[in-house]
Amino acid sequence: DIQMTQSPSSLSASAGDRVTITCRASQGISNYLAWFQQKPGKAPKSLIYAASSLQSGVPSKFSGSVSGTDFTLTISSLQPEDFATYYCQQYNSYPFTFGQGTKLEIK
Amino acid sequence: EVQLLESGGALVQPGGSLRLSCAASGFTFSSYAMSWVRQTPGKGLDWVSSISGSGANTYYADSVKGRFTISRDNSQNTLYLQMNSLRAEDTAVYYCAKHIGSGVTPAGRGIDYWGQGNLVTVSS
Repeated sequence: DIQMTQSPSSLSASAGDRVTITCRASQGISNYLAWFQQKPGKAPKSLIYAASSLQSGVPSKFSGSVSGTDFTLTISSLQPEDFATYYCQQYNSYPFTFGQGTKLEIK
Repeated sequence: EVQLLESGGALVQPGGSLRLSCAASGFTFSSYAMSWVRQTPGKGLDWVSSISGSGANTYYADSVKGRFTISRDNSQNTLYLQMNSLRAEDTAVYYCAKHIGSGVTPAGRGIDYWGQGNLVTVSS
């Protein structure tokens, strides 16, 4: 199985900050990586697919990039509604696997 | 507007069975792969099973293989998860999810929409 190692596990930031979350795949997954946002008690929301393509309706403050097996989610100009838990997921091959999540908290 | 509405979650005893349903609307159901993803309270996301748009191809996590069966009724726009021989460790919120394509190739396997989730509790 492909392991997805996500870092950091938690992150404190202030409104207006720019933050970066990283996911490393244990083997090559091409660009078949997605990012999701989840708020407490709610279903996940899809943000990015194919490493860098924004889902419909997602603001451009969210961006994704890839370098080899390292994937990055960047959120610019943090607003109160962005404080949530973020997950990466590889869908290059079954079984699909998720990163352990990054909890983004207000400093 | 894409909508995914899960139902069927309940409290069930260990060894029991349960069937989850996910009623889909707002898109051509048969053209898209679907998945079930679960989340133990307070923990991360865990992929359970996927099915291609036609229903011809199914995939399972090792933890549920042989106990769970994913299926779909494209005439009723509904996705199912039949869960047998349930264990305490199957306790979770179960989400159905729509993929961006038919699921036959990796490019079509990304998830774009999620249901609201349905709680399954396995306990005596």
